[in-house]
Amino acid sequence: SQTIHQWPATLVQPVGSPLSLECTVEGTSNPNLYWYRQAAGRGLQLLFYSVGIGQISSEVPQNLSASRPQDRQFILSSKKLLLSDSGFYLCAWSQGLAGGSTDTQYFGPGTRLTVL
Amino acid sequence: SQQGEEDPQALSIQEGENATMNCSYKTSINNLQWYRQNSGRGLVHLILIRSNEREKHSGRLRVTLDTSKKSSSLLITASRAADTASYFCATESRAQKLVFGQGTRLTINP
Repeated sequence: SQTIHQWPATLVQPVGSPLSLECTVEGTSNPNLYWYRQAAGRGLQLLFYSVGIGQISSEVPQNLSASRPQDRQFILSSKKLLLSDSGFYLCAWSQGLAGGSTDTQYFGPGTRLTVL
Repeated sequence: SQQGEEDPQALSIQEGENATMNCSYKTSINNLQWYRQNSGRGLVHLILIRSNEREKHSGRLRVTLDTSKKSSSLLITASRAADTASYFCATESRAQKLVFGQGTRLTINP
């Protein structure tokens, strides 16, 4: 069966510090991978998605970047955090279907980031 | 940009009652999905309905889709306290990506 891991679960960082959040998927190959951010009491904002190694699409211009160094590893980074980067970060995967249609997305447990 | 809009934003009902949540969207879609999120957790997929389907059932869940009105509804029958969560609709219109609504916060009172 497939599983998705995210770490750390919670993180408190000062403004201006770097960030690295990691997401890994097990039990599948060549998944589509996604990073979302969720503000308190709000919906999900898609930040990045990847359909393969080294292929990253950015949805929202911002202070963050993403990388996919391995097939099942997705990393969210920042060189200098801003207060506005605080939020709940969720990683998800899906099995891309023929024709490019997205099937169900499976979410990790999330990382709660607080920037002080 | 937001595609799906859930209504109501919050819903509080008694255990055993039925809960209905609605979702409206703006552009044509390939499919529409409903997800559930317990507080502080990741999202869990509930049900997917394709654009050529009108109704789908899964246990106590019933989802309808009206593409002419660009709307969907999620019905939870015989609600339980454990159904307390936020519920999100998500639409797929562009390949490989879902767009989520703001969610409905459902509270089931024992």
